[in-house]
Amino acid sequence: QVTLRESGPALVKPTQTLTLTCNFSGFSLSTNGMCVSWIRQPPGKALEWLARIDWDDDKYYTSSLKSRLTISKDTSKNQVVLTMTNMDPADTATYYCARIRTAFWDYDYWGQGTLVTVSS
Amino acid sequence: QTVVTQEPSLTVSPGGTVTLTCASSTGAVTSGYYPSWFQQKPGQAPRALIYNTSHKYSWTPARFSGSLLGGKAALTLSGLQPEDEAEYYCLLFYGGPWVFGGGTKLTVL
Repeated sequence: QVTLRESGPALVKPTQTLTLTCNFSGFSLSTNGMCVSWIRQPPGKALEWLARIDWDDDKYYTSSLKSRLTISKDTSKNQVVLTMTNMDPADTATYYCARIRTAFWDYDYWGQGTLVTVSS
Repeated sequence: QTVVTQEPSLTVSPGGTVTLTCASSTGAVTSGYYPSWFQQKPGQAPRALIYNTSHKYSWTPARFSGSLLGGKAALTLSGLQPEDEAEYYCLLFYGGPWVFGGGTKLTVL
């Protein structure tokens, strides 16, 4: 059974760095073809793809936020971490992580999301 | 900046059929964009419906189908039921990063 769960601070101040963790089970990021992606959704707005990390440690970022994002993995802990620097109120959103299988290029399982509010 | 465009909103009667589309600012959408479709209801995480243009999951209702139509990815929902009312998002692959469409709010009324 595949599950993913996001965790992190519910509130961050402007200019601070956000660190989010995706804990997952039911698959391994050391398995060929497995990837994890981060996606966010501001309140009442559309989904926005942020980043992806692959089993071989390849990393990809959305161009508009590339300078502020870092994605990493700890395979032994079944965790993927996303950091976003210089947080702004416009970054207030629910942040999701999802599993990707390159054999199908699909996003089959998602976490429930974690709401992050940026406010002083 | 690549933009993926969906119809902002559609309204359909129960039992009806509707086709949602997904266009890319870079040109025609092909199978190489690995189009995916997701359903999201208020307060819930997105749920995957279709991947790689037309492939379904075990949980995808049989009345949902994906295709390519006129240079766009398409999601067709037939025999619409009240529980199909939701926001629908497409997702396209651009060789490294992916891009979501702006979503279609589907009302079944």
